[in-house]
Amino acid sequence: KQEVTQIPAALSVPEGENLVLNCSFTDSAIYNLQWFRQDPGKGLTSLLLIQSSQREQTSGRLNASLDKSSGRSTLYIAASQPGDSATYLCAVENTGRRALTFGSGTRLQVQP
Amino acid sequence: DVKVTQSSRYLVKRTGEKVFLECVQDMDHENMFWYRQDPGLGLRLIYFSYDVKMKEKGDIPEGYSVSREKKERFSLILESASTNQTSMYLCASSFSGGPETQYFGPGTRLLVL
Repeated sequence: KQEVTQIPAALSVPEGENLVLNCSFTDSAIYNLQWFRQDPGKGLTSLLLIQSSQREQTSGRLNASLDKSSGRSTLYIAASQPGDSATYLCAVENTGRRALTFGSGTRLQVQP
Repeated sequence: DVKVTQSSRYLVKRTGEKVFLECVQDMDHENMFWYRQDPGLGLRLIYFSYDVKMKEKGDIPEGYSVSREKKERFSLILESASTNQTSMYLCASSFSGGPETQYFGPGTRLLVL
């Protein structure tokens, strides 16, 4: 059964810092890996999707990498801003299963 | 823009009541999902549907059932609500044709007294 772990659980940084969020998964037979953002009391917003054949994806200040063989992904946020404060969730879609398995998230606070 | 709407943002029910949570998507997606989100446990899959009238159990289906009579609508039913079903419920949908992200609704926060 797939298990997804995110470290750290919470992170507080000053504005302008570059930061890295980590995600690990136990079963490497994945179809894709996705990163989401969740604001308090709200639904999830998709940030990046990396297919199993890809190594990374970029969108603006965000860059996500995937190392399937080691079961790891990182989300890199450049030049963090207070508006980046949210919970970031990593999720994996396994081959043959349409649903996602989620990590517990990293709660990020960017101090102005 | 894809829109996934959920019938209620907040709901308060009594133990033993039958509860219906409705989800509607406007993008003709084949797949629809129901998750619940609890502190420290993350999102867990309750049920999903990959076509009208088709459904599959997720990781925690006990105490829940679902209905998908039309492609755009996916309902989650709590047959007899219990206090341990107090949670945030999130609906999502996705296209079936390739590696596609899931689009989430705003969530329903359910309190069972």
